[in-house]
Amino acid sequence: QITLKESGPTLVKPTQTLTLTCTFSGFSLSTSGVGVGWIRQPPGKALEWLALIYWDDDKRYSPSLKSRLTITKDTSKNQVVLTMTNMDPVDTATYYCAHSYGGNPTLDYWGQGTLVTVSS
Amino acid sequence: QSALTQPASVSGSPGQSITISCTGTSSDVGGYNYVSWYQQHPGKAPKLMIYEVSNRPSGVSNRFSGSKSGNTASLTISGLQAEDEADYYCSSYTSSSTLGGVFGTGTKVTVL
Repeated sequence: QITLKESGPTLVKPTQTLTLTCTFSGFSLSTSGVGVGWIRQPPGKALEWLALIYWDDDKRYSPSLKSRLTITKDTSKNQVVLTMTNMDPVDTATYYCAHSYGGNPTLDYWGQGTLVTVSS
Repeated sequence: QSALTQPASVSGSPGQSITISCTGTSSDVGGYNYVSWYQQHPGKAPKLMIYEVSNRPSGVSNRFSGSKSGNTASLTISGLQAEDEADYYCSSYTSSSTLGGVFGTGTKVTVL
């Protein structure tokens, strides 16, 4: 079955760079149509798309955060890494990774999420 | 790209039916059949309930159904149960964003 799990720091300081890793199993990111996305959710607020990487290394970013985000994949390790620069307290949120298919942003399997707090 | 618009809250009694709306534009909901709905219980990850407007993934109760008319998509929950109390988010493909996806503002469903 498909599983995904996020890992990374739970606390980062303002201006630091956040690096999150999504480790998955049950699918290959080299299979046509497959993608892995990152989504975040500030406490008590709505879901927000961050980035999406497809099997062919096509990378998509939220226009409002594009300058701060980088998404990469390591197919051999079954991992997707998201980096976000210049972290600010407003970036405090639960960060999720999720599986997509069919070349469109429908997310059928999600990780459990990881809460990242930005504070000095 | 603005978020899709959902009502902040919807409530109903056990056994009743409720409908949650999701309003977008011709660049997202109205232009494509890639509308999906997610259920999120407190402290849990979202769960896909409906994809491509009206399709249910395996294992999702047939009490959940989706539809679309123009720029508005809808999720209907029939035979409302206590376990349906959760937040619900719609999502759509969008041509207005290079990322290609946009979420709704979210709706809190309360079972009275």
